[in-house]
Amino acid sequence: SQQGEEDPQALSIQEGENATMNCSYKTSINNLQWYRQNSGRGLVHLILIRSNEREKHSGRLRVTLDTSKKSSSLLITASRAADTASYFCATAYTGRRALTFGSGTRLQVQP
Amino acid sequence: DTEVTQTPKHLVMGMTNKKSLKCEQHMGHRAMYWYKQKAKKPPELMFVYSYEKLSINESVPSRFSPECPNSSLLNLHLHALQPEDSALYLCASSQGSAGATDTQYFGPGTRLTVL
Repeated sequence: SQQGEEDPQALSIQEGENATMNCSYKTSINNLQWYRQNSGRGLVHLILIRSNEREKHSGRLRVTLDTSKKSSSLLITASRAADTASYFCATAYTGRRALTFGSGTRLQVQP
Repeated sequence: DTEVTQTPKHLVMGMTNKKSLKCEQHMGHRAMYWYKQKAKKPPELMFVYSYEKLSINESVPSRFSPECPNSSLLNLHLHALQPEDSALYLCASSQGSAGATDTQYFGPGTRLTVL
């Protein structure tokens, strides 16, 4: 399977703390995307980083990409209870016409 | 309108029933997707339609039959399902200009229970 792996599988933090999630993948990619999913609902796109980019910011989100290590990280700063959700990375592998989702990180932010 | 809608929200069906899931988007997107998601697992791709033609079928059993009547609509016809097919079925769409690897917009899903 080409599915990426995310760690940690679960993360529990207090409001105001930062949360970091990591994603590893297996072969060369065109881009890597992060999505959020609230319990039992659809996924919401957060950010897309292309293979020639190393870092991208969007509000309280910071994504890094290291293609030499085939890994990416998502940092959520100053977390809020509303950030409680599952977070998935999704890779657009070169030559594959669809996204492949990672295993996901379940984030719990305690108020 | 940046919304993908799915109906119904919940569906309970027996193994001998025939039912359909519906998905609609009015963003002018030319790629549409069906995913299956089991609890605490990532979405698994089932089908991709690009410009109203089936471009990817991830070896999905024939009891799932997709249909794309026009560029805004995507259906998933269900027949003779098994209890293990119970899951959240997600529809998504994207512009389709980047080979189906650009940003995807998801609907809220249909929670399917097969008895």
